[in-house]
Amino acid sequence: QLRLQESGPGLMKPSETLSLTCTVSGGSIRNGDYNWGWIRQPPGKGLEWIASIYYSGSNSYYNPSLKSRVTISVDTSKNQFSLKLTSVTAADTAVYFCARLGYSSGAGDNWGQGTLVTVSS
Amino acid sequence: DVPMTQSPSSLSASVGDRVTITCRASRSISDYLNWYQQKPGKAPKLLISRASNLQSGVPSKFSGSGSGTDFTLTISSLQPEDSATYYCQQSYNPLYTFGQGTKLEIK
Repeated sequence: QLRLQESGPGLMKPSETLSLTCTVSGGSIRNGDYNWGWIRQPPGKGLEWIASIYYSGSNSYYNPSLKSRVTISVDTSKNQFSLKLTSVTAADTAVYFCARLGYSSGAGDNWGQGTLVTVSS
Repeated sequence: DVPMTQSPSSLSASVGDRVTITCRASRSISDYLNWYQQKPGKAPKLLISRASNLQSGVPSKFSGSGSGTDFTLTISSLQPEDSATYYCQQSYNPLYTFGQGTKLEIK
């Protein structure tokens, strides 16, 4: 059974760079039927898609509102994909989810449990 | 990107009722519309993909329809466990966007 698990810092200070990793187990990240993505949810608010990537790294997509600060990458040797978000502010406080997204449907059929990242001075 | 508008933002219904949630895209997205259910403290769960494809293991009380710009999620025979927030997501454009969510309360 496929499992996704996010790992991250928990608490950060403004201006720092957020680094998150999603470890995929129970299946290969090299499956060409899927993209891999990050979605976040500020406390009490809705879902916001951040970025997606194909396992080869050949295609990656970014939310235009975050594109200047975000980088998504994949490490097939570790069955992981990662997100970096620079210059964080309090507005980046959110639960960050990683998810498997159907390549043709774009639907997130498997999600991690989410990790809360709090940005505070 | 493609902004998505969901309505209503919240609704209250009784056990046994049927409810409909609407999602509208700012431009045609064909049938690239997905529906999720999210309960507090949990990750979203995919209910329906490509407008009407019920995911394996999801009860048939959930159904989706629509194409182009207008889509609906219908939930019949409401039960207390259907209390959740429901989101639509467009995947026609690879810059995915979600609706703002509909919070469903079961009276």
